[in-house]
Amino acid sequence: NAGVTQTPKFRILKIGQSMTLQCTQDMNHNYMYWYRQDPGMGLKLIYYSVGAGITDKGEVPNGYNVSRSTTEDFPLRLELAAPSQTSVYFCASSRGGLGGNIQYFGAGTRLSVL
Amino acid sequence: GQSLEQPSEVTAVEGAIVQINCTYQTSGFYGLSWYQQHDGGAPTFLSYNALDGLEETGRFSSFLSRSDSYGYLLLQELQMKDSASYFCAARGNYGQNFVFGPGTRLSVLP
Repeated sequence: NAGVTQTPKFRILKIGQSMTLQCTQDMNHNYMYWYRQDPGMGLKLIYYSVGAGITDKGEVPNGYNVSRSTTEDFPLRLELAAPSQTSVYFCASSRGGLGGNIQYFGAGTRLSVL
Repeated sequence: GQSLEQPSEVTAVEGAIVQINCTYQTSGFYGLSWYQQHDGGAPTFLSYNALDGLEETGRFSSFLSRSDSYGYLLLQELQMKDSASYFCAARGNYGQNFVFGPGTRLSVLP
């Protein structure tokens, strides 16, 4: 099993550009999450999904959009990139329910907006 | 709101024992997790407490007191490879999501 796979690993964007960060998992997990982590800080939840077709905002959703059309995929869309979105983005998944206490993380996408 | 607090830095020597504390304020609290993150890497799961008490996993143990909204991670027989950041994360919103603390950077000295 590959676990949680994120692409790309690195990206540089110009201010105002848009991009989609891809995330896919092969563990048949219902729950998926997007976090951002600024240098020396903890993880902030952007959006999460408890199943295909269901998404909800986290702590810092402004400037981002998500969709969940399949169990496996949970892409994160950045519209009109701003320097404040320079960060490391982590996607994670968990089984959900009473047994869903472990989150499995992808390797991250390092994004710079210049 | 939802928030977690933990010390920003801890330093210890090889072979020692260190305790990293975490206090939380989370609605719909389910349990408390601990994650390890090495520089440039992704967080990896260490331990989870749903009930009060101590959970032991090898050299790592984690404790939870729901009445005090408090938990800690105990690392024994410290090794150089344990130098990393450690995050507590509260599973909240009735199990739907996790809120992470700011992280504690552990430095293990020879």
